[in-house]
Amino acid sequence: NAGVMQNPRHLVRRRGQEARLRCSPMKGHSHVYWYRQLPEEGLKFMVYLQKENIIDESGMPKERFSAEFPKEGPSILRIQQVVRGDSAAYFCASSPMPGGANTGELFFGEGSRLTVL
Amino acid sequence: SQQGEEDPQALSIQEGENATMNCSYKTSINNLQWYRQNSGRGLVHLILIRSNEREKHSGRLRVTLDTSKKSSSLLITASRAADTASYFCATSTSGTYKYIFGTGTRLKVLA
Repeated sequence: NAGVMQNPRHLVRRRGQEARLRCSPMKGHSHVYWYRQLPEEGLKFMVYLQKENIIDESGMPKERFSAEFPKEGPSILRIQQVVRGDSAAYFCASSPMPGGANTGELFFGEGSRLTVL
Repeated sequence: SQQGEEDPQALSIQEGENATMNCSYKTSINNLQWYRQNSGRGLVHLILIRSNEREKHSGRLRVTLDTSKKSSSLLITASRAADTASYFCATSTSGTYKYIFGTGTRLKVLA
């Protein structure tokens, strides 16, 4: 059973370009979370999605950032017109139930590291 | 606002010693979890403690929860060099499904 798959693992963009990060949750998981991590810091919640629905996007910047989790295919975190401050590691986590499994556990991918030049 | 704050921010100990990390949070929680992150990697779940529990064990890990003080501690006994990592607490609150992570403790275990 493959874990949470994120790609690309590393992405370099110039200011003003678009970054598109993909997350395939674990098999059977229909709940996806996106977090952002700056160097030497903790994870900041961005968005929580279920299949075809955004449940909580309270951590998403109101401009330039969007997320989706279509019926088929991976979840996508899209950052338009990137700026240097968007440079960070973006982590995706999945769970089979709202708020985690019976254990409450989130399963994390290895992250996508975005560098904006 | 950030829910969890860990202390110390960094901890360096010798192999075989015990490591204790603390997490404080601000609002009522459903449960609290501890995660581990090796450098450059994703997070791995270690242990979960529910709001009605006071202590939990898993192997060399011992977690306590004091809801009156809104704090938790993670104890790693007989540490090993392989325990070198960052450790984060994460809390979930009633009415939401998101988990809020703390700032982390960077543990270094010297061989």
